[in-house]
Parts: sequence; structure tokens; C-alpha cells
Amino acid sequence: EAGVTQFPSHSVIEKGQTVTLRCDPISGHDNLYWYRRVMGKEIKFLLHFVKESKQDESGMPNNRFLAERTGGTYSTLKVQPAELEDSGVYFCASSQEAYGYTFGSGTRLTVV
Amino acid sequence: DQQVKQNSPSLSVQEGRISILNCDYTNSMFDYFLWYKKYPAEGPTFLISISSIKDKNEDGRFTVFLNKSAKHLSLHIVPSQPGDSAVYFCAASKGTSYDKVIFGPGTSLSVIP
Repeated sequence: EAGVTQFPSHSVIEKGQTVTLRCDPISGHDNLYWYRRVMGKEIKFLLHFVKESKQDESGMPNNRFLAERTGGTYSTLKVQPAELEDSGVYFCASSQEAYGYTFGSGTRLTVV
Repeated sequence: DQQVKQNSPSLSVQEGRISILNCDYTNSMFDYFLWYKKYPAEGPTFLISISSIKDKNEDGRFTVFLNKSAKHLSLHIVPSQPGDSAVYFCAASKGTSYDKVIFGPGTSLSVIP
């Protein structure tokens, strides 16, 4: 089975620009999670989708971040406008059963 | 505040010896604990887990111990192998089984041949 796919793998943008990250979960996985790791720190939770609905978005830093999940399939995470502190690695994970997270390889975002 | 702590950023161990990675948590509501392993340029992969009703879970060379009264868990790898060199994240979850998982900052393990 195909794993969780994220793209782009790397993105370098200037402060103030917009970036959209995409995640394709494992087919059939209802649960989709976004996490972020900033410079060697912990992997922090951003939000959780169940199918197309946001189950928990308590980790979203501010309203510059917008996540969507179209038809309960792929998800996008848009940062607009990007700030320097948004740099980090953004991970997406999906699961169908409890705790069975499968992570993607992540998108490394650098805001300059 | 950081609910899951891994106070050792790095650890070096000789091949064949035991690696012990430690983790402390602050939230007594956590009832499920996990360890993930991460290689560079890859996402974390699930390694082993333990429910709060147990104090030990073993899977091959990997054993996780849980001390609820101390809010402490540890991961033992024996014998350590060079391929075990990676960043290890301790993680915890509470409430429903689909509740978010809270990760620690990770410990970078180097196994020296």
C-alpha cells in the first residue's frame, strides 16, 4: 500500500509570501493529522481531521494557517502570509485505527 | 508548557550494549504512551507502545517500561545495533483512542560500531 505522501519536500519562500503544503493520506484512512517540528524541538500537534471535518484544531498557531481536507481525501495546509517563525518541518500523518499513525516524510519550509 | 520531556538530547552507546532512553511526562491524564523512531529526511515511524494499565511491554530487542507513580517511562534497546542510530521520540495520548498524540523533543541515539 502507498504511504502518506507530502509535497513539496522542500519549500523556500520569502516572508510575506503564501505557501501551500499538500498531504495525501493512505487510502481509506479517515484520520489525518498535521504536526510541525521547529529546529530540533518537539513535534507539535497542529490539527486533526476526521474525514473532511476538523476534529481538533487547538494546535493551529494563528489565523495565518488554514487547513482543508477536500472530500475527506487529501489535505492542504496554507500559510498566508508566511513569517520567519513558521520555518520548520511540517509532517502529515494518517490512521484508521487507534494510535496507528503513519507519517509522511515531511515538508521542510524555510521562510527567509 | 512541555507535557512530554526527554531531558537527554543525545546518547552514544557501543554496539552490542544496552541503550536506555528516558522520558518524563507531566499530565496524569495520559493513558497511552508510544515511542517513535526517526531517520534523517524521513517521517517518524512507530516503534513500540504501552498502555497505562501495564508496566512493561516487550517487542524483540525493544522494551518499554512505565512507572506511573513517577510519571516516567523508558525505552531499552538490547543489544544496540548501528542501524538503531536515529532520533527517538517519546509520545503520549489521553482520552479517546483518536486523541492527538503529544511528542517530546527527541533523543538522538548514536550506536558506535
